[in-house]
Amino acid sequence: GAGVSQSPRYKVTKRGQDVALRCDPISGHVSLYWYRQALGQGPEFLTYFNYEAQQDKSGLPNDRFSAERPEGSISTLTIQRTEQRDSAMYRCASSLAQGGFRNSPLHFGNGTRLTVT
Amino acid sequence: AQKITQTQPGMFVQEKEAVTLDCTYDTSDPSYGLFWYKQPSSGEMIFLIYQGSYDQQNATEGRYSLNFQKARKSANLVISASQLGDSAMYFCAMREYNNNDMRFGAGTRLTVKP
Repeated sequence: GAGVSQSPRYKVTKRGQDVALRCDPISGHVSLYWYRQALGQGPEFLTYFNYEAQQDKSGLPNDRFSAERPEGSISTLTIQRTEQRDSAMYRCASSLAQGGFRNSPLHFGNGTRLTVT
Repeated sequence: AQKITQTQPGMFVQEKEAVTLDCTYDTSDPSYGLFWYKQPSSGEMIFLIYQGSYDQQNATEGRYSLNFQKARKSANLVISASQLGDSAMYFCAMREYNNNDMRFGAGTRLTVKP
């Protein structure tokens, strides 16, 4: 597709359930990032991949959060045993190149709004 | 660890006037890139402008320019001739060459008054 696609757009789940959020990056983009954004706040870094390799997961809040990108394209962010504090907008972004910055700003998807009740 | 600071939670500007949004950063990596994004109320993230740490000149993109002061570690966004459609949240972000993750500041909410 032309842009970064995320699904679902909205997800309401009950506390304790697992959720999987999907990101389909722009074709050919090497790097893929996951962010969490609270209302009125800046995107909070969670993790990122170059191709299928997870390069940095230091932003994942705890071990209930995990991400994968097995074939270097689509990525899934999984939250196990969801809690109300996990409610937020989860954004995915992709970037063309891993080294050169000038031609590789992050392109963001529209996000998945997760609500844990 | 890199850190981005935006000290202005909110800013107001009169239509057609210029406004400067502040951003300071902290890094020990000599090679890095600085980015500004706009987030209107619709929620999308729109890339505005990029400045590389080795760039000799300040970046410009239309009405956007970046006042890059490397020694002071600041990368302020200047919007000239403000328009009502410029009302949005603005985020500063940085990527280090040796650590490709991209970190964002807390943002500045700009309101353009008619």
